[in-house]
Amino acid sequence: GQNIDQPTEMTATEGAIVQINCTYQTSGFNGLFWYQQHAGEAPTFLSYNVLDGLEEKGRFSSFLSRSKGYSYLLLKELQMKDSASYLCAALNYGGSQGNLIFGKGTKLSVKP
Amino acid sequence: SQTIHQWPATLVQPVGSPLSLECTVEGTSNPNLYWYRQAAGRGLQLLFYSVGIGQISSEVPQNLSASRPQDRQFILSSKKLLLSDSGFYLCAWSGTGLPSGANVLTFGAGSRLTVL
Repeated sequence: GQNIDQPTEMTATEGAIVQINCTYQTSGFNGLFWYQQHAGEAPTFLSYNVLDGLEEKGRFSSFLSRSKGYSYLLLKELQMKDSASYLCAALNYGGSQGNLIFGKGTKLSVKP
Repeated sequence: SQTIHQWPATLVQPVGSPLSLECTVEGTSNPNLYWYRQAAGRGLQLLFYSVGIGQISSEVPQNLSASRPQDRQFILSSKKLLLSDSGFYLCAWSGTGLPSGANVLTFGAGSRLTVL
């Protein structure tokens, strides 16, 4: 089967660092995406990992371990505008098609 | 640059009524097109995807259907809505081939459907 797990909610303080974890089980894994979604809006792309290791993009970093089926998104120097849901999505490749399987999202609340 | 348009933004429909949501993409050719649904407390669920005109793959059995009459137009339809069809519907596009860091899935603004 296919399953993506991430915490439902997290709270952090402005200026702090927060790590959002994601575990996945898919039959044809071919990459891991993170998206940010503000309430009532469409998801926007944050990061992509296909090889093991850390990818850094400004205040955001994403890590992948394929052998463990595990990823995390690290947000540094948190700002109030980072309050949003963060969606983990595994690219599942089967036959000739690849489709993104999304987790339920982690709702992050940043407090002053 | 590429843009994706989706409409209507919100709609309230009675049970048993028909549905038509439309999505168009500009600035690219032969995109992969997707319809996702996001219900309250649930993750994004892939409903349909298309790699070309008239080519539709369905991921979830339901009373919804999709059509791609033109290269950059994707339509989601229903003949008779159910209460369970309520949710946030998102159209998305990506370039030809597998999604990747260089070929990301880009979403439209979404259509919020309430079935009463």
